[in-house]
Amino acid sequence: EIVMTQSPATLSVSPGERATLSCRASQSVSSNLAWYQQKPGQAPRLLIYGASTRATGIPARFSGSGSGTEFTLTISSLQSEDFAVYYCQQYNNWPYSFGQGTKLEIK
Amino acid sequence: EVQLVESGGGLVQPGGSLRLSCGASGFTFSKYWMSWVRQTPGKGLEWVANIKEDGSEKDYVDSVKGRFTISRDNAKNSLYLQMNSLRAEDTGVYYCARADRYYWGQGTLVTVSS
Repeated sequence: EIVMTQSPATLSVSPGERATLSCRASQSVSSNLAWYQQKPGQAPRLLIYGASTRATGIPARFSGSGSGTEFTLTISSLQSEDFAVYYCQQYNNWPYSFGQGTKLEIK
Repeated sequence: EVQLVESGGGLVQPGGSLRLSCGASGFTFSKYWMSWVRQTPGKGLEWVANIKEDGSEKDYVDSVKGRFTISRDNAKNSLYLQMNSLRAEDTGVYYCARADRYYWGQGTLVTVSS
């Protein structure tokens, strides 16, 4: 099973600033990597798939990069609604696996 | 508008059974792989099972193999998860999702406890 490791566990950033979240896979997942946002009491919401393609309706301030084992989610200018937990997920190999999440909190 | 609505969660004793259902609307259900994903206190998010458009292929994560069965009824636009021999570590919120990751239901809570 591929293990996904996210860092940091918690990230404190001020509104308007940039946030950079990292995700590492224990073996190559090519570009078969998705990012999700989850708010309390809600289902995960797909942000990015194919490592760098924004899902429909996702603002341009969200961008993804990377391939193989190293991936990054960047939020260019944080808005109040962006403070949430973010998960990466590989879908290159079954079983699909998620990282443990990064909590993005207001500084 | 795409909607996925889960039902069937609840409190069950260890070793018991539960059947989850998911009703789909707003897209051609029979043309998509479908999935169950759960979120548990112990393991976080876990992709539990997938089923092909016609039900001919199914995948399960090791932790549920032999205990859970995914199925679908395309005529009823419905997805199911039969859960047997439930354990405390199966406690969590179970989401129905389209396998392309785009759409998720609101989740149904399963609690396994005596």
